[in-house]
Amino acid sequence: GAVVSQHPSRVICKSGTSVKIECRSLDFQATTMFWYRQFPKQSLMLMATSNEGSKATYEQGVEKDKFLINHASLTLSTLTVTSAHPEDSSFYICSAREGASGPYEQYFGPGTRLTVT
Amino acid sequence: LAKTTQPISMDSYEGQEVNITCSHNNIATNDYITWYQQFPSQGPRFIIQGYKTKVTNEVASLFIPADRKSSTLSLPRVSLSDTAVYYCLGLYDKIIFGKGTRLHILP
Repeated sequence: GAVVSQHPSRVICKSGTSVKIECRSLDFQATTMFWYRQFPKQSLMLMATSNEGSKATYEQGVEKDKFLINHASLTLSTLTVTSAHPEDSSFYICSAREGASGPYEQYFGPGTRLTVT
Repeated sequence: LAKTTQPISMDSYEGQEVNITCSHNNIATNDYITWYQQFPSQGPRFIIQGYKTKVTNEVASLFIPADRKSSTLSLPRVSLSDTAVYYCLGLYDKIIFGKGTRLHILP
């Protein structure tokens, strides 16, 4: 199956700093990418949807000025957590699919564990 | 987007067949019923997808009745490595995850 990678896999940062997480589709062109966050023992929560070359669409309750998403190419999307605080500590997972809509399989990355101290 | 209801947790033993049923009463006509598996600290992994009737692949079977208001994921002869969280969802556009079923396989 198709592969989605994330970098870094783990990151620790100090409160008030910004952290960038990369999501790459390695062997296909991702028209659409998604970002999720997951707290321990909870389900994945969709944060935003991004289409290549367009502004991301954020889910209700997600601060777009805090979680900056860029989908500049068909193989790369980035999530920047700005002015991170301890409550932003979470597991961030991206996914990607080839089509803009339809039952295309979504391929998930391995996740990035963010710890804010 | 369809709201899904699954058992919160299930236990089974190695070598048994496990069936996890999901209710999705308001699934949209366009939605494909899709199941994902997630291990701790990993991204979800696609298991199987179907629209109606039965679908089988190398790891699971998916049974969908004609009214599409529910579906059953069947895992044949489970092993300890099948211990994971299983999510059922309706897929056409973006994926919204429900709470999933935490499956625990015992030796």
